[in-house]
Amino acid sequence: NAGVMQNPRHLVRRRGQEARLRCSPVKGHSHVYWYRQLPEEGLKFMVYLQKENIIDESGMPKERFSAEFPKEGPSILRIQQVVRGDSAAYFCASSPQGEDTQYFGPGTRLTVL
Amino acid sequence: GIQVEQSPPDLILQEGANSTLRCNFSDSVNNLQWFHQNPWGQLINLFYIPSGTKQNGRLSATTVATERYSLLYISSSQTTDSGVYFCAVEISGNTGKLIFGQGTTLQVKP
Repeated sequence: NAGVMQNPRHLVRRRGQEARLRCSPVKGHSHVYWYRQLPEEGLKFMVYLQKENIIDESGMPKERFSAEFPKEGPSILRIQQVVRGDSAAYFCASSPQGEDTQYFGPGTRLTVL
Repeated sequence: GIQVEQSPPDLILQEGANSTLRCNFSDSVNNLQWFHQNPWGQLINLFYIPSGTKQNGRLSATTVATERYSLLYISSSQTTDSGVYFCAVEISGNTGKLIFGQGTTLQVKP
């Protein structure tokens, strides 16, 4: 009974490269959320997705960031042309239809050199 | 927007002591969760508690929704309880977005 899976757990990129973060929700969960935790700060909401739909992206930076949750496969958070300020822990959470509880993955720690 | 305030910001306990962590929020909510972030950075679900009281071992939580606060009780603390405790809320009628407090950093000394 696997929980939320995220990979990679650690990712190092140089400035200007692309970062792809993957999230596999709990089996049967159709709602996925992404959060970002900057160093020494709390978690901030980024985006809420259901299969093939973005429901709320009010926390996503306007440029370079995108997210998807395709019909098949994991949810992807993509950061283009990374900058040092993107260094953070990125957490994915999932919930089943009709339930509010969000279950969090172990996070991906992105370091931009 | 909604404000989520946690207190105290930092707490140092001797092993075996009890503690109470508080979370105040400024608007009606339909979801409130408590999390423990361990020293390795992993977020552990503790409670889903939009109202009422729940207990799980040495931990218990109470949310008084009408007065907009929640309390997390840790009894007989252990060194493994160290880490950061977050409260997170979802505003009533919102789309599932959790708003996190700034956390309480707990250190339990042996």
